[in-house]
Amino acid sequence: DAKTTQPNSMESNEEEPVHLPCNHSTISGTDYIHWYRQLPSQGPEYVIHGLTSNVNNRMASLAIAEDRKSSTLILHRATLRDAAVYYCIRPGSGNTGKLIFGQGTTLQVKP
Amino acid sequence: DTAVSQTPKYLVTQMGNDKSIKCEQNLGHDTMYWYKQDSKKFLKIMFSYNNKELIINETVPNRFSPKSPDKAHLNLHINSLELGDSAVYFCASSQREYEQYFGPGTRLTVT
Repeated sequence: DAKTTQPNSMESNEEEPVHLPCNHSTISGTDYIHWYRQLPSQGPEYVIHGLTSNVNNRMASLAIAEDRKSSTLILHRATLRDAAVYYCIRPGSGNTGKLIFGQGTTLQVKP
Repeated sequence: DTAVSQTPKYLVTQMGNDKSIKCEQNLGHDTMYWYKQDSKKFLKIMFSYNNKELIINETVPNRFSPKSPDKAHLNLHINSLELGDSAVYFCASSQREYEQYFGPGTRLTVT
C-alpha cells in the first residue's frame, strides 16, 4: 500500500483560501483520492474524494493533477472551525474500504 | 440523533483486565470498522465487518476480538490489557466505502 506525502503543518488567516497539497506519485489508475479531517478531540470526518477531475462539495474543492500524482484540497474561506488535521488518503488494496491514514497536515487558522 | 455512538467515552483500567467497547450506528450502513489512534495521533485500521462478516483483520494481537451481533453494532473486546493498548479507539461505519462516519472515540488508559 503506497503512501501519500503531506506537509506536517500549515497556517492560514481567517477568511482566506487555503490550499493543502498532497503527493501520491505511485497511485494506480483506479484508486480514488480521499480527504478526511480530524477536529480536536473528535473522530475523523469525510471531506471529499475524487478520481481524475476536479470535485466540489459544500465543504471544499479537490483539484487533481492531470498525471494524478498530486492533488490539492482547497478551503475557499478558512474559518477558525477549520483548524484540524487534514488527511490525504489512498485506499488499501482491494475494495475493502480500508483507508490508510498518514500523518496528515495540521492546519492552524489565525483570526 | 448521534449517527455513530461509542460507549464508554473514557475507560481507565489496570493491566491484565478484560474490557469491552461498544459501538452502534443508526445510519443503516452495512459496514463497520474499528480504528486505533496512538499517542502520536497515528490512526490505523484494525477490523471491519460487512453485514456481520469479517472483511478486514489487520495485524492485531488476538487479545482483540471484534463481535458484531447485528449490522448496527460492532463491539470490541480486549483481553489481558497491556500498557501499550492505551489509545483512542474509533468506531466507524459506511455504506459507500470512501465515506466513513466516525464515532467520537473511546479513550482507553491502561495503568
